[in-house]
Amino acid sequence: KQEVTQIPAALSVPEGENLVLNCSFTDSAIYNLQWFRQDPGKGLTSLLLIQSSQREQTSGRLNASLDKSSGRSTLYIAASQPGDSATYLCAVLFSGGSNYKLTFGKGTLLTVNP
Amino acid sequence: DGGITQSPKYLFRKEGQNVTLSCEQNLNHDAMYWYRQDPGQGLRLIYYSQIVNDFQKGDIAEGYSVSREKKESFPLTVTSAQKNPTAFYLCASVPGGNQPQHFGDGTRLSIL
Repeated sequence: KQEVTQIPAALSVPEGENLVLNCSFTDSAIYNLQWFRQDPGKGLTSLLLIQSSQREQTSGRLNASLDKSSGRSTLYIAASQPGDSATYLCAVLFSGGSNYKLTFGKGTLLTVNP
Repeated sequence: DGGITQSPKYLFRKEGQNVTLSCEQNLNHDAMYWYRQDPGQGLRLIYYSQIVNDFQKGDIAEGYSVSREKKESFPLTVTSAQKNPTAFYLCASVPGGNQPQHFGDGTRLSIL
């Protein structure tokens, strides 16, 4: 069964700290991996998408890496701010099934304290 | 601005009643999706549609129905057969291929 796991489920850090969120997946045959942000009561906002041929993607203070062979991705957030507080979800588009069907992890709830 | 509009934001269902959640997109995307989100469970796929007049069941389709008569619209009906409908429902779309999914702001459904 193709699954996506995110650890930890929750993380609390002081403002200014650099942090890493983890995502693991059970099958290395993937098209892409996406990181999303979700604010309370809202929909998901796409942060970064890494194609299977790529090793990392960067956007501002965010950097996402992908290691297909080990089934792992990390989202690195530099110089965290209270506005970064949200739930971060990892989603994988596995090969072999529907070309558009994402499998989501359960998310990491991040709290950045002022 | 282009985007996905879900309505209503909050919805209440009585026992034995069918309710319909609206999802409209003006992004000209081919594929659309419906997800259900429960606390601690992540997102689970209910139905998806890759083209007009065609749709497929996701992982938890029982008690739900959809239609795709227009490219812009993908309404979801929660039928009385769905015994535990209380959840946050999210609609998404994607242009195709290896592109990011775009999400609406969701509809929260509760039972009266």
